[in-house]
Amino acid sequence: GQQLNQSPQSMFIQEGEDVSMNCTSSSIFNTWLWYKQDPGEGPVLLIALYKAGELTSNGRLTAQFGITRKDSFLNISASIPSDVGIYFCAGQQTPYGGATNKLIFGTGTLLAVQP
Amino acid sequence: EAQVTQNPRYLITVTGKKLTVTCSQNMNHEYMSWYRQDPGLGLRQIYYSMNVEVTDKGDVPEGYKVSRKEKRNFPLILESPSPNQTSLYFCASTGLRGAYNEQFFGPGTRLTVL
Repeated sequence: GQQLNQSPQSMFIQEGEDVSMNCTSSSIFNTWLWYKQDPGEGPVLLIALYKAGELTSNGRLTAQFGITRKDSFLNISASIPSDVGIYFCAGQQTPYGGATNKLIFGTGTLLAVQP
Repeated sequence: EAQVTQNPRYLITVTGKKLTVTCSQNMNHEYMSWYRQDPGLGLRQIYYSMNVEVTDKGDVPEGYKVSRKEKRNFPLILESPSPNQTSLYFCASTGLRGAYNEQFFGPGTRLTVL
């Protein structure tokens, strides 16, 4: 099955630093999503992007839908300890003539924040 | 409270012993799916269901079965588990949030097959 290339695989940063991660694909997506997974929990949606070029913020988080529709990035500003977790990008393709809710997930970025 | 529940949360079993992981959602969603999460591979879709009695294979369906007899329930069945099915499993339910669809994930089931 198709997967998205997500980088970096892991990041170890100091509290207060900014974080950037990205996702790339060889295929075009119509929707890009960013999820966070806390230890022992399921992924929770952080930001959804629906249009190429779209830049969306959610508090300290900012995500962009690449113009080519083949990439997306997520920035976290002024990181805090509770930002710790695994971040996943996900892409969604809507085939012509129908709708599907299938998500293709990236491999994840493990974020550790040192207080 | 809108939620997706899974049971059990943790399970250790032996090769070949049939097991079922239950999934239930209280949001009246039509679309549900199962994923497995493995290190370095992210989440991969096992099966999905567009509605009652309508199921289809995802990317990694081998060794799994599902059923959808009621809208709220979507159990995952491993008829003869093998060690390579040791993984973290998530059930998800999709419904409208505003004008767009959003997937809501359950808390996960960690399965170990010895």
